[in-house]
Amino acid sequence: AQSVTQLGSHVSVSEGALVLLRCNYSSSVPPYLFWYVQYPNQGLQLLLKYTSAATLVKGINGFEAEFKKSETSFHLTKPSAHMSDAAEYFCAVSPARDNKLIFGAGTRLAVHP
Amino acid sequence: ETGVTQSPTHLIKTRGQQVTLRCSSQSGHNTVSWYQQALGQGPQFIFQYYREEENGRGNFPPRFSGLQFPNYSSELNVNALELDDSALYLCASMGQGNTEAFFGQGTRLTVV
Repeated sequence: AQSVTQLGSHVSVSEGALVLLRCNYSSSVPPYLFWYVQYPNQGLQLLLKYTSAATLVKGINGFEAEFKKSETSFHLTKPSAHMSDAAEYFCAVSPARDNKLIFGAGTRLAVHP
Repeated sequence: ETGVTQSPTHLIKTRGQQVTLRCSSQSGHNTVSWYQQALGQGPQFIFQYYREEENGRGNFPPRFSGLQFPNYSSELNVNALELDDSALYLCASMGQGNTEAFFGQGTRLTVV
């Protein structure tokens, strides 16, 4: 069965430090992959998506992610954290490329001064 | 702003009651999906509708049902509410051939 694993339910970084949020997936075929962000009491906002074009995907707010098929990973990075990046981040996979999304459990990012 | 609106934003129901949640899709989007997000968890796929027909269903019992209307708005109905149904319910819409799902702000359902 397809699944998504996000390593680390909580990540804390200093403002200006590198952000690295990990995501591994299982899928029998090359999937579409997504990262979403959720601020308190809000819905989900798309950060970026991989749909089998370039393996390094750039998204909004300075985030990017690299699709590594050999590692079945799609880790999210940002070179320099900002206080406004504090939120819950979800990795999701669409195995059949039909936007029926399977989400990971999420990683809560805290950014401290 | 995504253009997907959900109503109501919050509601409280008693165990055993029935509830209807509503979603207005983004203009031009003919596909809508519903997700359940329990506290501290990722969203779980309930079902998807495409042009008024159910087009896939997750691991949810039949008491979770839905409708999509000709204007592509949608409803999620839950019968015989249980305490574990307490969650944030998210609606997402997509245009044909689009790879991005646009989410609404969700409806927070509390079952007491």
